Parts: sequence; structure tokens; C-alpha cells
Amino acid sequence: ETGVTQTPRHLVMGMTNKKSLKCEQHLGHNAMYWYKQSAKKPLELMFVYSLEERVENNSVPSRFSPECPNSSHLFLHLHTLQPEDSALYLCASSLENNQPQHFGDGTRLSIL
Amino acid sequence: EDKVVQSPLSLVVHEGDTVTLNCSYEVTNFRSLLWYKQEKKAPTFLFMLTSSGIEKKSGRLSSILDKKELFSILNITATQTGDSAVYLCAVTFSGNTGKLIFGQGTTLQVKP
Repeated sequence: ETGVTQTPRHLVMGMTNKKSLKCEQHLGHNAMYWYKQSAKKPLELMFVYSLEERVENNSVPSRFSPECPNSSHLFLHLHTLQPEDSALYLCASSLENNQPQHFGDGTRLSIL
Repeated sequence: EDKVVQSPLSLVVHEGDTVTLNCSYEVTNFRSLLWYKQEKKAPTFLFMLTSSGIEKKSGRLSSILDKKELFSILNITATQTGDSAVYLCAVTFSGNTGKLIFGQGTTLQVKP
């Protein structure tokens, strides 16, 4: 139990669907992150939120839309995804930016 | 372009062996270097290094940073099968962006 919970654990969707990934942290942290992990590629940082404000957007396509309603919750809204978007999406949190991050177990996303 | 490179990419050893994993980096505005262990799911934090020459130690694991030569090593002594995992190195940047770049990881397999 890492204190960071992601749902769903697995998601299969078509390219025209709209779905959302959810992340919740119970650690009292102020910063939250979305990462993409593809086979044989380094973990890629997608978005960073600090105190509910987006502070980093790593040139992510607009078909990925993050939302951070409060410091404990983070969403990643998905629409019109491509097959190359199939990957493990990891959420993380840290006390402040640039502090060690605690990761969730991820959502395994498959795009048909 | 900022980059983090780990070597070797994979390693197979026997229980009791000592291993050394390498992480080199070329980045602007370096702040810290972090090591994580990833088994099946969530990466778990091992060490954060900010100063050269100061060894961090936790049980059989230790790590050190050389900011002049721009690299870090992670040592594992008396390896056990439970050490089998992917070891990830990441670099953080000065400023408040929360930006962080990961290396490709080193896959370690420890055989009985």
C-alpha cells in the first residue's frame, strides 16, 4: 500500500471513446503527477500539479486532459486516443515539487 | 537536450554477488538525482542525492553522486532474489516546475 490509489487498474477502450483515469493520494502531499510508461522507453512525465495548479505540461497531445480539483485527487481525461497511447499510466505524489515521489500501481490502458 | 542514461540495461547475477548500477546525466539546472526500484507495479523510492561524495546507505543498498563527472552509482551487496527488479534513475531540476527526467532503467535478475 503506497498511499496512492489509481482506478481503474485496467482499461480497454476504442479510439472514439471517452474515459477518465482517477488518482487519489492519502499522504497529505501538495504535488501530483501523471506519467506514461511504454515498453522499452523511459518513464515520461506528462503533467505536474502543485497545490492544484498545473506547473508543468510536457508537450502532451490535447487528447489527454488533466484535472486536479483538490490536492488529493487527480484525473486524466482521455478522448480520441491512438493505438500508440496504449501504455501503463502512473500517478505519483510528493510533499512538494522536487521531493521524492510516491507512485500508484498504475492503470494499464489498451487502445483498440 | 537533457538526458539520463543508465547502464547496463540488464544484468543477471547469482545470489550473494555484488552489483553496481550506473546512471550518468547531462542536464541544465541540475537539482538532485533519485533512485527507484520497480518490481511489478509502482516504483518505490530508494535514495535522493544532492551533494557529491556523500554516500547514502540503506541496508545492503548504497548510492553516491559525483557532480563533477555527472554520474551516480547504486551498489547492492550480497544480492538476494528479492532484489530482482528494474532500477530507475531520475534527475530533478532547479525551479518550481517539478520537472523530472528518468533513465531507461536497469533490469536486474538475481538467480538462486
